[in-house]
Amino acid sequence: DADVTQTPRNRITKTGKRIMLECSQTKGHDRMYWYRQDPGLGLQLIYYSFDVKDINKGEISDGYSVSRQAQAKFSLSLESAIPNQTALYFCATSDPRTHTGELFFGEGSRLTVL
Amino acid sequence: SQKIEQNSEALNIQEGKTATLTCNYTNYSPAYLQWYRQDPGRGPVFLLLIRENEKEKRKERLKVTFDTTLKQSLFHITASQPADSATYLCALAASGNTGKLIFGQGTTLQVKP
Repeated sequence: DADVTQTPRNRITKTGKRIMLECSQTKGHDRMYWYRQDPGLGLQLIYYSFDVKDINKGEISDGYSVSRQAQAKFSLSLESAIPNQTALYFCATSDPRTHTGELFFGEGSRLTVL
Repeated sequence: SQKIEQNSEALNIQEGKTATLTCNYTNYSPAYLQWYRQDPGRGPVFLLLIRENEKEKRKERLKVTFDTTLKQSLFHITASQPADSATYLCALAASGNTGKLIFGQGTTLQVKP
């Protein structure tokens, strides 16, 4: 089983709909992240959380919100989806005790907004 | 403005040759730089980390260099194999263990048999 699990893996929705992408991890890491990947643009940080009570905006947080329900769960919401939010979304975790900042990624959630 | 750039053009090489990928950055003073591999439809996977005070790091057929004067990292795969075909991402972290990484757009490597 994957250490970092994202659901759904694929989702097609319409403009204006509310969408939630969920991420759960079994690695026991405190730090969790949401990234967005677009062709030719690389990974862009949306939100990150260093523990359950800590939520921080990344580079492109507008139009998104997050919830850290537990150490193992970090969900990303699009309150009112728009077509330019069509992208591949990745959840990731890291362990600050390693001092390497290495990220462990999920398999991704492909979102299409029509 | 801060920027991290990788060659957006795909790199095509023959099996057995050395592949060299470049990562350049501006207006950062990274504490360390990482390289990841990403296969189509999959999440990136960590390969190597190199710190600001290290010139070179090796792991099996992989070698990474880090030149903070040139603001550049080079990623080498020696004796390349078709299985090395993937997209390679560099990522850097600002000073301090913030755990917040900034990624380049990635370079796709195609190794032909």
